[in-house]
Amino acid sequence: DAEITQSPRHKITETGRQVTLACHQTWNHNNMFWYRQDLGHGLRLIHYSYGVQDTNKGEVSDGYSVSRSNTEDLPLTLESAASSQTSVYFCASSESGGGPREQYFGPGTRLTVT
Amino acid sequence: AQTVTQSQPEMSVQEAETVTLSCTYDTSESDYYLFWYKQPPSRQMILVIRQEAYKQQNATENRFSVNFQKAAKSFSLKISDSQLGDAAMYFCAYRSAHSGTYKYIFGTGTRLKVLA
Repeated sequence: DAEITQSPRHKITETGRQVTLACHQTWNHNNMFWYRQDLGHGLRLIHYSYGVQDTNKGEVSDGYSVSRSNTEDLPLTLESAASSQTSVYFCASSESGGGPREQYFGPGTRLTVT
Repeated sequence: AQTVTQSQPEMSVQEAETVTLSCTYDTSESDYYLFWYKQPPSRQMILVIRQEAYKQQNATENRFSVNFQKAAKSFSLKISDSQLGDAAMYFCAYRSAHSGTYKYIFGTGTRLKVLA
């Protein structure tokens, strides 16, 4: 069955370190998204991609970067981790084309920055 | 810019009763999609129901139905015969139907407690 996976599921890191969160989908979806979830804020879009070599900033992109070298993967990098980036991170993917195009979500990564 | 508002941070319902979760949105677009997602304690996001703005008929999925009021920009979720497994965070989301746009805007969520 097609799926979307994230790794690691839990990560503790120190302030100032570079961290990369992995996202891998086997749906063959063109569109991929990264969100962070914080209490009182819901899910906020960090970065998204509509295809290989395409990346776009979301509403909370400062301090984060992504690259898309193939259809399956969209890794999220925190250049220099800050305590404000402690959060739960979700990756999602969807098809292109007409219609609602629901997003399929990964299981999330809980990141703690100490 | 579009916004989605869920004004109820937390709701409670007795098992087997009916509960309605509210969602309002703001947009200048005429064509768009609306979604309700459920997030149980496992954190996995699960699509509950979707609505296409051009359809006047309210979407239903088993015990879940929506009341879509386009003029009022309201999209509430009704859960009938509530079950313990319905306890979760519920998120309302908006997606433009503009060609080539696939990103969502989420509300802040409503935590639903189901009382036995």
